[in-house]
Amino acid sequence: GQNIDQPTEMTATEGAIVQINCTYQTSGFNGLFWYQQHAGEAPTFLSYNVLDGLEEKGRFSSFLSRSKGYSYLLLKELQMKDSASYLCAVRAGYQLTFGKGTKLSVIP
Amino acid sequence: GAVVSQHPSRVICKSGTSVKIECRSLDFQATTMFWYRQFPKQSLMLMATSNEGSKATYEQGVEKDKFLINHASLTLSTLTVTSAHPEDSSFYICSARDRSLGVETQYFGPGTRLLVL
Repeated sequence: GQNIDQPTEMTATEGAIVQINCTYQTSGFNGLFWYQQHAGEAPTFLSYNVLDGLEEKGRFSSFLSRSKGYSYLLLKELQMKDSASYLCAVRAGYQLTFGKGTKLSVIP
Repeated sequence: GAVVSQHPSRVICKSGTSVKIECRSLDFQATTMFWYRQFPKQSLMLMATSNEGSKATYEQGVEKDKFLINHASLTLSTLTVTSAHPEDSSFYICSARDRSLGVETQYFGPGTRLLVL
């Protein structure tokens, strides 16, 4: 089975940098995804890691260490619109299992 | 990125009626689509995997006779909630598996909010 842990809530200041961690235990691993979900909306794809290392995409970066079962999502130059839930999801086979999400609040 | 649509976006129905939700991949073919349910302040829970041309695979605890899934084409999957009850009220989200760019990912539809009275 899958077990995915991420912090429930985080607060950060506009313009700052925030790191959202995700740890997982899985019986099979075929990639890790990060999604952003605003309240009342469906998730939107942010990043995908299948190999160890850092993937950078604009203000967002995602890191993966398969040996440690660990990933993080790094958000730079935070904007108020970044206030949302961030979901870590692990794929085994072709199914995704989601963590409970981290609610990020960006304050002025 | 790829686009997935869902219809309707919101539905209110009486207890005992059936509701059909459509999920379409608009600019790619999806041999596999997924149906999730999300209760307030909770994460997405996979209900079933919908495969084009074959029977859906249901997760443990999901009644296949209550949640009917039909994946009739490479761009359309439907979820029918039969004999809906108030406890079925939830946010239903589909996703479609896209392999066209060599990087496999899932794109989500905008979701359907179901309220059963």
